[in-house]
Amino acid sequence: DTGVSQDPRHKITKRGQNVTFRCDPISEHNRLYWYRQTLGQGPEFLTYFQNEAQLEKSRLLSDRFSAERPKGSFSTLEIQRTEQGDSAMYLCASSLGWGIDFGSGTRLTVV
Amino acid sequence: AQSVTQLDSQVPVFEEAPVELRCNYSSSVSVYLFWYVQYPNQGLQLLLKYLSGSTLVESINGFEAEFNKSQTSFHLRKPSVHISDTAEYFCAVRFISSGTYKYIFGTGTRLKVLA
Repeated sequence: DTGVSQDPRHKITKRGQNVTFRCDPISEHNRLYWYRQTLGQGPEFLTYFQNEAQLEKSRLLSDRFSAERPKGSFSTLEIQRTEQGDSAMYLCASSLGWGIDFGSGTRLTVV
Repeated sequence: AQSVTQLDSQVPVFEEAPVELRCNYSSSVSVYLFWYVQYPNQGLQLLLKYLSGSTLVESINGFEAEFNKSQTSFHLRKPSVHISDTAEYFCAVRFISSGTYKYIFGTGTRLKVLA
């Protein structure tokens, strides 16, 4: 059990560019989550998958955000045409039963 | 809408004093309840959970939380805090009866333990 792995750890991008983050969950976990956390706030739900199916997506999530989990293993989160307001820590988590295990996150800075 | 409220954004407390961090959630439907802790420059870690059974649950480092269905609360307590308990604490809820596996987090309470 190597834990939830996220790549990259940090990403600095110019406004308007596209970015993609990767998450590798704990191997036997069938559910995978994406959250966003800004300074002084709790994790904000973005979306989750059960195996390869995306079961729920936050209504607050812009169409510029898309997530995939093509084979029910790793997942990618893409943000198109980044804006300064997208600067945040993007957290991936996975779960098999109750509770979720978080990765260390990808910190995105849009300049 | 389903929500989780942590009213105290910051709680300063002297070492060896007791502390209570409050958490309330929006609905009296069936829930799973969690507390997560985030130490400075570290990721979120599960501290303790309530799934069913005894309403008082404990962690290995002396924290406890009590599920109160009528008040829709899950407050976290510790009788005597240490400097090392300084961290941000997040309450999280999964609303079981809604059929979702989504976890909703509160905004967090920053616990600062003073020497």
